[in-house]
Amino acid sequence: GDSVTQMEGPVTLSEEAFLTINCTYTATGYPSLFWYVQYPGEGLQLLLKATKADDKGSNKGFEATYRKETTSFHLEKGSVQVSDSAVYFCALMGDYKLSFGAGTTVTVRA
Amino acid sequence: DAGVIQSPRHEVTEMGQEVTLRCKPISGHNSLFWYRQTMMRGLELLIYFNNNVPIDDSGMPEDRFSAKMPNASFSTLKIQPSEPRDSAVYFCASSFQGPPQPYEQYFGPGTRLTVT
Repeated sequence: GDSVTQMEGPVTLSEEAFLTINCTYTATGYPSLFWYVQYPGEGLQLLLKATKADDKGSNKGFEATYRKETTSFHLEKGSVQVSDSAVYFCALMGDYKLSFGAGTTVTVRA
Repeated sequence: DAGVIQSPRHEVTEMGQEVTLRCKPISGHNSLFWYRQTMMRGLELLIYFNNNVPIDDSGMPEDRFSAKMPNASFSTLKIQPSEPRDSAVYFCASSFQGPPQPYEQYFGPGTRLTVT
């Protein structure tokens, strides 16, 4: 079945540091890929998405590229802020069902 | 739009009691999902409705759990009787399933359930 494996946390960074969270997937067919973010006490918010190979999703300074050859969708941000502290989830969608990774907790220190 | 609305936001109940969680999806969306989030198991899909009809309930843990969607603007998830291991955050999400894909899901703020 479909599954997502993402880098375990927690990750602690200083402000303005570079962030990478690795995500790989296993799926039949050609899934769409997502990154969701969950701030403390809130629900999940869609951060970015990509629907086909080589697509790059981007939002709020975050980027991820759909790499079919390596079945990966790594999340990157060049300069993080304290406000980026949250839990980040990689997910894939086949037909209608989202399969989530375990989540990576990111803490950014001032 | 107000987004997906869930109530209550927090629920504390004693083992054996019935618990009902409520969800109002985004207007115009035709699909609704119930998820459970725990530290041990992460995010799990419990049940998926399309046009108010349950399509996939394979994630519902056991007969103590039931979900209904009587109309396009309301759904409930009921646990009867509740047990301490049901303690989790329960999320409702909705989407519009029509072209083009992918069908983005919009999540509510969740209900934090504690069963003592």
